[in-house]
Amino acid sequence: GIQVEQSPPDLILQEGANSTLRCNFSDSVNNLQWFHQNPWGQLINLFYIPSGTKQNGRLSATTVATERYSLLYISSSQTTDSGVYFCAVGVTDKLIFGTGTRLQVFP
Amino acid sequence: DAGVIQSPRHEVTEMGQEVTLRCKPISGHDYLFWYRQTMMRGLELLIYFNNNVPIDDSGMPEDRFSAKMPNASFSTLKIQPSEPRDSAVYFCASAYATGGGNSPLHFGNGTRLTVT
Repeated sequence: GIQVEQSPPDLILQEGANSTLRCNFSDSVNNLQWFHQNPWGQLINLFYIPSGTKQNGRLSATTVATERYSLLYISSSQTTDSGVYFCAVGVTDKLIFGTGTRLQVFP
Repeated sequence: DAGVIQSPRHEVTEMGQEVTLRCKPISGHDYLFWYRQTMMRGLELLIYFNNNVPIDDSGMPEDRFSAKMPNASFSTLKIQPSEPRDSAVYFCASAYATGGGNSPLHFGNGTRLTVT
């Protein structure tokens, strides 16, 4: 089946710093989504982005489907950005999740 | 809309007991997914439904697990008998019917199951 790899596995930042999270996948997909799992365990959909670039406030995402990767950018990080960021890719109707990037933002 | 609603939030049970987890998807969503999250295995898809019909249950770990969706607004995941290794957070998620995976997926808050 399709493989999804995320890097880095862990990231520690000071408030105000910028970061880039990467998601690589092993096969063509027709769907890619980014999620944030906050420290309370809630999974929040950040982006539905099978291709191209989207921005939402301090967050933006770019997917280059032909090269099988996606990037999530976090600018001016805040402590509330802490948690785990998951990339999930879809081939048919179902999404396969990567192992996530754990982000800790300190004041 | 209230989002995807799961109950209970926490469940503690003894090995051998039956456990039933419940989910109400977002109104109008035609796809419903059950995921399980553990430290060792991450987020695993167990089963998903389209228009109340199970489409893919290849992720269901064994016959002790079963899922139903009797109508568009309700689904259950049952474990009988439960075992300690079933301890995990179980998430329900739903999406619109534009190819199922081809629309944003919305998760409930999960049910934390502990089997002693």
